[in-house]
Amino acid sequence: QKEVEQNSGPLSVPEGAIASLNCTYSDRGSQSFFWYRQYSGKSPELIMFIYSNGDKEDGRFTAQLNKASQYVSLLIRDSQPSDSATYLCAVIPKSGGSYIPTFGRGTSLIVHP
Amino acid sequence: GAVVSQHPSRVICKSGTSVKIECRSLDFQATTMFWYRQFPKQSLMLMATSNEGSKATYEQGVEKDKFLINHASLTLSTLTVTSAHPEDSSFYICSAIVGVGTDTQYFGPGTRLTVL
Repeated sequence: QKEVEQNSGPLSVPEGAIASLNCTYSDRGSQSFFWYRQYSGKSPELIMFIYSNGDKEDGRFTAQLNKASQYVSLLIRDSQPSDSATYLCAVIPKSGGSYIPTFGRGTSLIVHP
Repeated sequence: GAVVSQHPSRVICKSGTSVKIECRSLDFQATTMFWYRQFPKQSLMLMATSNEGSKATYEQGVEKDKFLINHASLTLSTLTVTSAHPEDSSFYICSAIVGVGTDTQYFGPGTRLTVL
């Protein structure tokens, strides 16, 4: 059973702070990792994807991948109230040719003014 | 990012009727599309994988005769909920993969189905 675990939260941070969202996965051979943001009542929106160990930055967002420890994280710098949403981690396992990701349950982030 | 549309965005129907939801890739050809269902405050649940020109692959526990999926072209997949019941009320979301050899999914805006 391939699993992706996220703390459901809510994670509450003040405006301007760094929000750190974490995700662990069980399939050691996983190749592709994604972070999606989902506002209440809306569908998921892709934020970032990462394939290699290390950091990947895009604006205020940084994805961090550590395959040895089997975790991927998302840092949001200068958090804004508009960042308040549920953040979904998705992992595609190693199985050849499969593009089916396993989603975590999501972490609810609240950024308060 | 790639654009995926869904229609309708919201539908209310009577119990026993069938509802068709369309998922279109607007600016790319999608050989693979996915259909998800999401109940309030719960995670996404993959229902089926839809490949253009072939039968959909359903996840365990999803009734293929109740949730009919057709992927007749590279830009359109449809989900038909047959003989809908109140317990089918949910948020249905499609997604598509852009191109071949990539695995990034882009989601449509979703369809909220309410069965009375």
